[in-house]
Amino acid sequence: GQQVMQIPQYQHVQEGEDFTTYCNSSTTLSNIQWYKQRPGGHPVFLIQLVKSGEVKKQKRLTFQFGEAKKNSSLHITATQTTDVGTYFCAGPGGADGLTFGKGTHLIIQP
Amino acid sequence: KAGVTQTPRYLIKTRGQQVTLSCSPISGHRSVSWYQQTPGQGLQFLFEYFSETQRNKGNFPGRFSGRQFSNSRSEMNVSTLELGDSALYLCASSPGTGTIQETQYFGPGTRLLVL
Repeated sequence: GQQVMQIPQYQHVQEGEDFTTYCNSSTTLSNIQWYKQRPGGHPVFLIQLVKSGEVKKQKRLTFQFGEAKKNSSLHITATQTTDVGTYFCAGPGGADGLTFGKGTHLIIQP
Repeated sequence: KAGVTQTPRYLIKTRGQQVTLSCSPISGHRSVSWYQQTPGQGLQFLFEYFSETQRNKGNFPGRFSGRQFSNSRSEMNVSTLELGDSALYLCASSPGTGTIQETQYFGPGTRLLVL
């Protein structure tokens, strides 16, 4: 079945540094979604990308969908302590439902 | 609108027992999906219900089952619990307009510990 690989698994940054997580799929995706899960919390939807090469911004967060629709990235500029959490990408998995990546744990050192 | 609610929030069971978890979706949402989250395997899709019918199913053994009621509330059941079933079980609802690729609105989860 479809696999969604996400790297890195963990990322330590100093507050104010930038952060990027990458998501790669073994198959072409019709769309990709990004979620954030705070420690002790539940996943919260951030954004959905649908078009090839699409770039969307939410304040300090920039999301990209690759031209081939097989990869995506999330970039956070000037991280803040409120950005701490795990960031997941998820692609449609057909009969498997939404297929989530393993997530990138963002740890911020003040 | 109230968010997705799940009960109970925490549960401790012993091996061999069975457990039933409940999920109330956002009002008006007709699709309910269940996910298992563990540190090792991450978020894994269990199944999705829409209009009281199981529409999609993940790769889990038959010990995991679910159902949906006419008011869209859903329950999942795990029989003959194993230690490896210890996990956070998340329910997510969506409007259910026809595709699983809709935005998923997650509940707080039920944390199950099997001893």
